[in-house]
Amino acid sequence: EPEVTQTPSHQVTQMGQEVILRCVPISNHLYFYWYRQILGQKVEFLVSFYNNEISEKSEIFDDQFSVERPDGSNFTLKIRSTKLEDSAMYFCASKWGDSFNSPQHFGDGTRLSIL
Amino acid sequence: TQLLEQSPQFLSIQEGENLTVYCNSSSVFSSLQWYRQEPGEGPVLLVTVVTGGEVKKLKRLTFQFGDARKDSSLHITAAQPGDTGLYLCAGTYNQGGKLIFGQGTELSVKP
Repeated sequence: EPEVTQTPSHQVTQMGQEVILRCVPISNHLYFYWYRQILGQKVEFLVSFYNNEISEKSEIFDDQFSVERPDGSNFTLKIRSTKLEDSAMYFCASKWGDSFNSPQHFGDGTRLSIL
Repeated sequence: TQLLEQSPQFLSIQEGENLTVYCNSSSVFSSLQWYRQEPGEGPVLLVTVVTGGEVKKLKRLTFQFGDARKDSSLHITAAQPGDTGLYLCAGTYNQGGKLIFGQGTELSVKP
């Protein structure tokens, strides 16, 4: 069964450094998302992306965050200058269409640890 | 702000018992998904419900979407240790849009 893949599975970075989290969505999917889950808390929406542009972003997704779909397969989340509070699991998700019957499928996440 | 409240947050039962998990909101959702998440992994989709009053079954799991599309429930019949895990409800209110997650129900089924 097709799946969303994320790399790396675990990233340890010094505070202030840039980090890029990578995702390969399911191949025929058109809508892409990033979520994060701080330990012990709810999964929170960060950003959605469709037709090569951001469709919606949350308050968390400030100027330090950016997303890109550099080619036909990858979808990346960049954090320019990481803070301690960016430590979390980051999940990528994708869906094929805008129908309500088209659910989002998630990758296994990248655990980001900021030191 | 649309919120989803899930209850209970923790549930520990014996094998063979039945249980129900609830997901409630004051807002109307266009669709609602139930996911299961294992430690260190991403949420895995169990079911999507779209129509008010809709009932879907997945083996021993029964999912219902409230008539007003503001609430949902997950009922597990004769729970087994393999059902142990974190169950998440998540709703969306526009096409292509973000998912709003509940806080999850941590289920433990003891043999």
